[in-house]
Amino acid sequence: DTAVSQTPKYLVTQMGNDKSIKCEQNLGHDTMYWYKQDSKKFLKIMFSYNNKELIINETVPNRFSPKSPDKAHLNLHINSLELGDSAVYFCASSQGRGGNSPLHFGNGTRLTVT
Amino acid sequence: AQSVTQPDIHITVSEGASLELRCNYSYGATPYLFWYVQSPGQGLQLLLKYFSGDTLVQGIKGFEAEFKRSQSSFNLRKPSVHWSDAAEYFCAVGSSYGNKLVFGAGTILRVKS
Repeated sequence: DTAVSQTPKYLVTQMGNDKSIKCEQNLGHDTMYWYKQDSKKFLKIMFSYNNKELIINETVPNRFSPKSPDKAHLNLHINSLELGDSAVYFCASSQGRGGNSPLHFGNGTRLTVT
Repeated sequence: AQSVTQPDIHITVSEGASLELRCNYSYGATPYLFWYVQSPGQGLQLLLKYFSGDTLVQGIKGFEAEFKRSQSSFNLRKPSVHWSDAAEYFCAVGSSYGNKLVFGAGTILRVKS
């Protein structure tokens, strides 16, 4: 009974392609996030949605577009993939707006761009 | 803005030995502090958190952490490490009104038998 699930687990694609990653949480949380973990394991927030409203949009290329159809889902679409987009992308959720609530993470999507 | 420093990139300890992982934060107000663990191929799992009150907090898997405001630190400890504790550990800082957690760069723990 996975709390935060994201698909796919692995994604291998070529430069220039467009791909999507999906995330769903069954915890009833109000806030969802996308984090990027680079090859040095550094975790950086990309986006955050609270009740379907975008509340964090860090300095991310506009090739990345998040979409939250409802508060249990947050998807990430990436256009025109580049080599530098290769990373592990984590979805997370929290009850509060993020600074004062523990995050619950999915198991990550390893994106490899060739 | 908040920031977190984990000074040790790698730490190796013998099984059964004690462990301390260091975390220093920078934040002007009272921080909300967290420790997470990441096993290979997995997401991050919350070990413990500090919001207020007793500065020594207990977490899962026998871990504890102590908040020291004067040193801006929140070090993670375990009295006796097990081989299954080998993983990467992340410290994070948030705030009562902020929207996000900021993570440190992580410390990789290796356990030798």
